[in-house]
Amino acid sequence: DVKVTQSSRYLVKRTGEKVFLECVQDMDHENMFWYRQDPGLGLRLIYFSYDVKMKEKGDIPEGYSVSREKKERFSLILESASTNQTSMYLCASSSIGSNRGDYGYTFGSGTRLTVV
Amino acid sequence: TQLLEQSPQFLSIQEGENLTVYCNSSSVFSSLQWYRQEPGEGPVLLVTVVTGGEVKKLKRLTFQFGDARKDSSLHITAAQPGDTGLYLCAGIGNFNKFYFGSGTKLNVKP
Repeated sequence: DVKVTQSSRYLVKRTGEKVFLECVQDMDHENMFWYRQDPGLGLRLIYFSYDVKMKEKGDIPEGYSVSREKKERFSLILESASTNQTSMYLCASSSIGSNRGDYGYTFGSGTRLTVV
Repeated sequence: TQLLEQSPQFLSIQEGENLTVYCNSSSVFSSLQWYRQEPGEGPVLLVTVVTGGEVKKLKRLTFQFGDARKDSSLHITAAQPGDTGLYLCAGIGNFNKFYFGSGTKLNVKP
């Protein structure tokens, strides 16, 4: 079964800590994404990557950075965690297909991060 | 404001009832996808609709893409408790950018 695996389901961190969220996919997908999901706001794109060592800012990159050293791994870094970063974080991967519409996302199970 | 508006936001029904969820936008999309997210899990892709006016059926679920490719609906016939979850639509725009709606939370009571 193909998978996107996020390293932690639940995390509690203190304000000011540096936080690493890890994501690994086993589908050889080129594209990887980090979203946060908050009630009433839906999924908001933080960062994405189309290839190893490439990264692009999404809609809400402030306070975050990413790393993609290997194709299968995409890490989200909170440089100095703040309480407004308490959220559900979802990693996803996809492959650009030859036909329009055949590149759905495969999501991980999510990491619920609480910053206290 | 969301580029894609989903309605209703919440829906609580009895097992066996029918329901329709809507996903609307003023923007045109090259295609549109529907996902279901169960509590504590990530969203799972249900369907992709590509052509304006397209209708796709997945067992008791019927998906329709509007003629102008700006809106979509999801109809569930004879809902079951296993249908409970958050239903998300995602429009795919220029440069393959995804735009997610905020979701419809469905609860089907036995």
